[in-house]
Amino acid sequence: ILNVEQSPQSLHVQEGDSTNFTCSFPSSNFYALHWYRWETAKSPEALFVMTLNGDEKKKGRISATLNTKEGYSYLYIKGSQPEDSATYLCAPNQAGTALIFGKGTTLSVSS
Amino acid sequence: ETGVTQTPRHLVMGMTNKKSLKCEQHLGHNAMYWYKQSAKKPLELMFVYSLEERVENNSVPSRFSPECPNSSHLFLHLHTLQPEDSALYLCASSQDWVSDSPLHFGNGTRLTVT
Repeated sequence: ILNVEQSPQSLHVQEGDSTNFTCSFPSSNFYALHWYRWETAKSPEALFVMTLNGDEKKKGRISATLNTKEGYSYLYIKGSQPEDSATYLCAPNQAGTALIFGKGTTLSVSS
Repeated sequence: ETGVTQTPRHLVMGMTNKKSLKCEQHLGHNAMYWYKQSAKKPLELMFVYSLEERVENNSVPSRFSPECPNSSHLFLHLHTLQPEDSALYLCASSQDWVSDSPLHFGNGTRLTVT
């Protein structure tokens, strides 16, 4: 079973703060790494899918990096806004397997 | 509109009941999934179907029985459930099951077993 660790478990920041979260996963047999945002009362929504070591992806104020050799990915949010409040899930998969999700990082942004 | 529709949104059932959860996707995807979200646990993969064939079954109790009649529809048949099966059940689809295509989720069915 793929072991996926996300930290921190939860985070509270003020509007305008920048923040980042970590996703750790086994580096062996890596295939892809997904990030999802899950807002309360909604369904999880895909943010990024990354496959190559050194990949960096950006969507507005949110960006992500990937290190497949050491098995980690960072998600960054620049200038957090209240609408960024959500649980952020990472999900790696190895070749030939479906996604396995971490427990997520729950972000709360106060105005 | 997520493209993936789940019904019902909420379901309360007794341990002796039989019920079914339904999932439908209009995205032209080839893979469909059932995930379970229990309190304080990560999303747990239950079943994966690719082109209507089951490709993964993660040691799920037989009281959960999936059915995929075509690539657009996925069912989860429930019978003689236990209270600990109360959870949010999420359906998802993706272009292919072993690829870098993202999952598209439905809004889930909140199941309560009494």
